Amino acid sequence: EVKLLESGGGLVQPGGSMRLSCAASGFTFTDFYMYWIRQPAGKAPEWLGLIRNKANGYTTEYNLSVKGRFTISRDNTQNMLYLQMNTLRAEDTATYYCARWVGGFDSWGQGVMVTVSS
Amino acid sequence: EIVLTQSPTTTAASPGEKVTITCLANSSVTNMFWYQQKSGASPKLLIYSTSSLASGVPDRFSGSGSGTSYSLTINTMEAEDAATYYCQQWSSNPYTFGAGTKLELK
Repeated sequence: EVKLLESGGGLVQPGGSMRLSCAASGFTFTDFYMYWIRQPAGKAPEWLGLIRNKANGYTTEYNLSVKGRFTISRDNTQNMLYLQMNTLRAEDTATYYCARWVGGFDSWGQGVMVTVSS
Repeated sequence: EIVLTQSPTTTAASPGEKVTITCLANSSVTNMFWYQQKSGASPKLLIYSTSSLASGVPDRFSGSGSGTSYSLTINTMEAEDAATYYCQQWSSNPYTFGAGTKLELK
């Protein structure tokens, strides 16, 4: 069974940093592109970025809305996905999900809440 | 950026009723994906590549469309289908979602 479990959320001050983690299990992690998506309360999901699989060199791609502030990485020895978020703003407040793409975001984590507030 | 406009924003249906949700793109897209999200839960993939049912999705759900116009149809509404539905495009970065259609049980 595919499982994705995010951790690391919480309250952070504007201008601060936070790193989210996503533990993956139940599939061959290195075979898949992995993604981060966020969803502010009551709003639509927003794709943040992706990190490609082993065959595609683990390269990254970002939504321009977060490029330069957010960085996606992965530890393939631990089956972990990360999202490093810097210079956080109030508008970054949302539930953050990691997800896997197999012809659609077929698996999502349960999400972790990030609140940016003083 | 490709903007996806869903309609209606909210709707309600009685059990057994047919429901259609539309998604219009401001530029042509190759395929459309549809997700269902119930309150407090993560989104769930319903339809991929415009018209293919994701694993475990009841066959009362169907998708169709091409170019800039796509739709999701629930052939016979059931109580468990009350949720918010999102379309999503995979044709160009950023891979955008529609604003959602909230479907309520009448």
